[in-house]
Amino acid sequence: DVKVTQSSRYLVKRTGEKVFLECVQDMDHENMFWYRQDPGLGLRLIYFSYDVKMKEKGDIPEGYSVSREKKERFSLILESASTNQTSMYLCASSLSGQAKINYGYTFGSGTRLTVV
Amino acid sequence: AQKITQTQPGMFVQEKEAVTLDCTYDTSDPSYGLFWYKQPSSGEMIFLIYQGSYDQQNATEGRYSLNFQKARKSANLVISASQLGDSAMYFCAMREPRMDSSYKLIFGSGTRLLVRP
Repeated sequence: DVKVTQSSRYLVKRTGEKVFLECVQDMDHENMFWYRQDPGLGLRLIYFSYDVKMKEKGDIPEGYSVSREKKERFSLILESASTNQTSMYLCASSLSGQAKINYGYTFGSGTRLTVV
Repeated sequence: AQKITQTQPGMFVQEKEAVTLDCTYDTSDPSYGLFWYKQPSSGEMIFLIYQGSYDQQNATEGRYSLNFQKARKSANLVISASQLGDSAMYFCAMREPRMDSSYKLIFGSGTRLLVRP
């Protein structure tokens, strides 16, 4: 029944490491999103993708990149992890098209990343 | 720019009572959608309810209802007969429209609700 899967629930990485966060969905959704969640700030959009190999910057893309080579998989990459990237990362997916817009997003369980 | 504001960082409610979580929004687009999500301590985001800007009636889903006041740009979530399992973080979100029929959501900062036995 699980529809959006994030590869790790908890992750601890060292400053300067290259970090990959993986997200896979099995609902054939066109759109996929990466958010980070911080106390008092809610969810902020990092990047999103509305099609394979397509990506757009969200509100806070600095220090991150993404990859979407297949429809079902959307990867978030921290090129050189820093302590201020310690956060909860949430992946989500959604259908395009007006008929489905009231369904909102389907979220993964989140990855809590700690950079030391 | 579109914006969602939740002014209550935390709230308490007694079990079996009703509670209202506030949400105001700002947009110049006549077509928009508003969502509420629940996030328990386990971390997953659970979709609760949706209100479209052209919907004539307030949305309801079981014990959840949305008090939609378009002129005031508010979309408050009302939870009736609170249960201990309602203790969670609640997020209000708005759909930001795009030309290509995809869309993205912008979120408020959230309200943490604690239900007292």
